[in-house]
Amino acid sequence: KNEVEQSPQNLTAQEGEFITINCSYSVGISALHWLQQHPGGGIVSLFMLSSGKKKHGRLIATINIQEKHSSLHITASHPRDSAVYICAVSKKPGGGADGLTFGKGTHLIIQP
Amino acid sequence: DSGVTQTPKHLITATGQRVTLRCSPRSGDLSVYWYQQSLDQGLQFLIQYYNGEERAKGNILERFSAQQFPDLHSELNLSSLELGDSALYFCASSARGSGNSPLHFGNGTRLTVT
Repeated sequence: KNEVEQSPQNLTAQEGEFITINCSYSVGISALHWLQQHPGGGIVSLFMLSSGKKKHGRLIATINIQEKHSSLHITASHPRDSAVYICAVSKKPGGGADGLTFGKGTHLIIQP
Repeated sequence: DSGVTQTPKHLITATGQRVTLRCSPRSGDLSVYWYQQSLDQGLQFLIQYYNGEERAKGNILERFSAQQFPDLHSELNLSSLELGDSALYFCASSARGSGNSPLHFGNGTRLTVT
């Protein structure tokens, strides 16, 4: 079983819809990262969370440490939000390699 | 722009060959991470350097090696290349090199082994 699970794997929605992508993890973490990867391939770091909630523009990320769960929300979605969204965790010291452990990503398509 | 520079952007080479990928971290960042993204394995952590020293190892093959130089740029060396090594290789940098330090990713090097 993967240490980081994302759902859904694929999501197609209409422009303007509220989008939610979920991430569950099974290890102790020091932080959780949400990343965005566009078709060109580059990766952009959206959020790094260790507790609570963060907001940047139309993007909101939340984390529940007790439940080992995080969500990424996109409000008023737009076709330019179409990308792969990847959840990744930094394990706690002693819990494994310091590099990130990644989910398989959620492929989001926003149709006009 | 993340401030992380990776060269080259694309690399096409033959099986058995050796290549070197280069990464210049964001100004002020001491830690460099290397990641591999392949279609079947997804994103995987390879290795981390902090201020010139190896800090952590992930799923890095013995045919692969890396180093970080005094000016903090890093190189990933891939040798005896196989078809399965074809992938996107990303470099990321962070200031502190700890698990809760924000990461900045380069645009990647796309390696094709024929």
